[in-house]
Amino acid sequence: EIVLTQSPGTLSLSPGERATLYCRASQSVSSSYLVWYQQKPGQAPRLLIYGASLRATGVPDRFSGSGSGTDFTLTISRLEPDDFAVYYCHQHDTSLRGWTFGQGTKVEAK
Amino acid sequence: QVQLVQSGAEVKKPGSSVKVSCRTSGGTFSSYVINWVRQAPGQGLEWMGGITPIFGSPKYADKFQGRVTISADISTSTVYMELNSLTSEDTAVFYCASNFDGLEVLWGQGTLVTVSA
Repeated sequence: EIVLTQSPGTLSLSPGERATLYCRASQSVSSSYLVWYQQKPGQAPRLLIYGASLRATGVPDRFSGSGSGTDFTLTISRLEPDDFAVYYCHQHDTSLRGWTFGQGTKVEAK
Repeated sequence: QVQLVQSGAEVKKPGSSVKVSCRTSGGTFSSYVINWVRQAPGQGLEWMGGITPIFGSPKYADKFQGRVTISADISTSTVYMELNSLTSEDTAVFYCASNFDGLEVLWGQGTLVTVSA
């Protein structure tokens, strides 16, 4: 089973600052099936990035994803107030045993 | 446009079962894996299992094996998740989701299940 480990657990930043979130897999993951979500309380996860680096429809270009193999990164170039939320990475390769999620990174206002 | 539409919130007694539905609208259904994900209050996302309706053979996460049943009704484009022997720790939002064999993942709106005496 692939384990996804996100770091840091919590990121305390101010609006306008850059946020860098990490997702490390216990074994190589196909970049095609690595996605990032944003989730706010009481809401379903919102797809931000798919295929490790492609922005979903309507996602602002301050969000970017990169990485391959076992190491993936989500960057928010300049935080806006609406960006304070929890972010999850997720591998959804259906050829594998099952889906796995990172444990989440909370981006909170400093 | 494909949508996943889930059944409404449920309140259950400890020891009982809950069955949540997920209907696919606006697209084909039976060839793609439909998954179920649990999210307890304040916690992360947890894969429970999935099914490809046309094949009918579900896969389950080890944690839920023996307590969850995922099934599908092709005639109504609906996938079901039944969880047995409920405890207060099963209070959670349950989501269905699928990548429909693509790179993006589509989610249902979620179903809150509250387990309370």
